Amino acid sequence: DAGVIQSPRHEVTEMGQEVTLRCKPISGHNSLFWYRQTMMRGLELLIYFNNNVPIDDSGMPEDRFSAKMPNASFSTLKIQPSEPRDSAVYFCASSFGLGGAYGYTFGSGTRLTVV
Amino acid sequence: KNEVEQSPQNLTAQEGEFITINCSYSVGISALHWLQQHPGGGIVSLFMLSSGKKKHGRLIATINIQEKHSSLHITASHPRDSAVYICAVLREFETSGSRLTFGEGTQLTVNP
Repeated sequence: DAGVIQSPRHEVTEMGQEVTLRCKPISGHNSLFWYRQTMMRGLELLIYFNNNVPIDDSGMPEDRFSAKMPNASFSTLKIQPSEPRDSAVYFCASSFGLGGAYGYTFGSGTRLTVV
Repeated sequence: KNEVEQSPQNLTAQEGEFITINCSYSVGISALHWLQQHPGGGIVSLFMLSSGKKKHGRLIATINIQEKHSSLHITASHPRDSAVYICAVLREFETSGSRLTFGEGTQLTVNP
């Protein structure tokens, strides 16, 4: 298995533009997590899905952020409009079981820079 | 006070030294993870443990549930061990299953 695959690896965009981050979880994993990592706040959970259904989105910063999981093999995190304070590394992780009780596999992350 | 606290925040060692990174938590957990993150790199799960001790190569992780404390040890450290090590605890929530809560990480630098 290729692991959790995120794209793009790096994204530089101008303030106000729409940004879409993509994630392909490990086949067979039924929980998917989006995390954001910044120097100031460390790793924060944004949202997680179980069996393609959002279970907890309390970490999503505001309405500019949205996430979808249309099927078991694909998820997107969208920011519209983007702002400089959204600059961070965004990680996707997947696991088996509700909430990742059986271990996690992280993707390589997407480094987002909003200028 | 953070629910998960790591110490030290930064650690510099000479190649070959024995290294210990500590993690204390203040909440009930079902498991604890040690994660490794290299500069500019992804996050790798090193261990998931709920009791006792686990060993993988030069890495050893221990946990004391009663004292709410875990340690990550690296024996015979090497410059390639230089990374950020993150402690994360798995907590159970009644309606939403389990979630990870992360420590702030320990930046380890091993000099040759």
